[in-house]
Amino acid sequence: AQKVTQAQTEISVVEKEDVTLDCVYETRDTTYYLFWYKQPPSGELVFLIRRNSFDEQNEISGRYSWNFQKSTSSFNFTITASQVVDSAVYFCALSEAGATGANSKLTFGKGITLSVRP
Amino acid sequence: DGGITQSPKYLFRKEGQNVTLSCEQNLNHDAMYWYRQDPGQGLRLIYYSQIVNDFQKGDIAEGYSVSREKKESFPLTVTSAQKNPTAFYLCASSTTVGYGYTFGSGTRLTVV
Repeated sequence: AQKVTQAQTEISVVEKEDVTLDCVYETRDTTYYLFWYKQPPSGELVFLIRRNSFDEQNEISGRYSWNFQKSTSSFNFTITASQVVDSAVYFCALSEAGATGANSKLTFGKGITLSVRP
Repeated sequence: DGGITQSPKYLFRKEGQNVTLSCEQNLNHDAMYWYRQDPGQGLRLIYYSQIVNDFQKGDIAEGYSVSREKKESFPLTVTSAQKNPTAFYLCASSTTVGYGYTFGSGTRLTVV
């Protein structure tokens, strides 16, 4: 069965600090997809990134970067020079392709609440 | 614009009453999902449907029911058998596996 672990529950930083959110996953599939979502206080989930299991390249998007390491089953997310607007709950999620390739459910971690103080 | 519409945004019901949450998508997605969110619990899957007239139980299906009579619609009924229904409910849809999931804005259900 697939599983996502976000061991950190709450993180508090001062603005402009860098912060890394950890994500460890478990899956028996060789083809799978990893996601990060942001949930601001409004409640809607905002898509940040999708990564398939065959692409271990790290990715950078502005102040955001992601480090995918299959050897340690981790997909960590770093925010550089954090801002107050980054305050939110962040979820890591996993989707398996399955034998039939049919649409597969997303399994979420429990989320990390990030607070960025001015 | 394409997307998922959940209604209502806030819902209050008396204990023991069934209540139905609406989820409509115009993205032509085959699969649809219902998740429940409780503080500190993340999002847990209630039911999902990969095709019209078919659906499967997720991790916490007890006390809930769904239907998928149309591709665009996947309503969730919270029955009186659900022991702790107060939560935030999110609906999602997807097309090709792993390509992406679109989420609605959620319904916050409070049972008093």
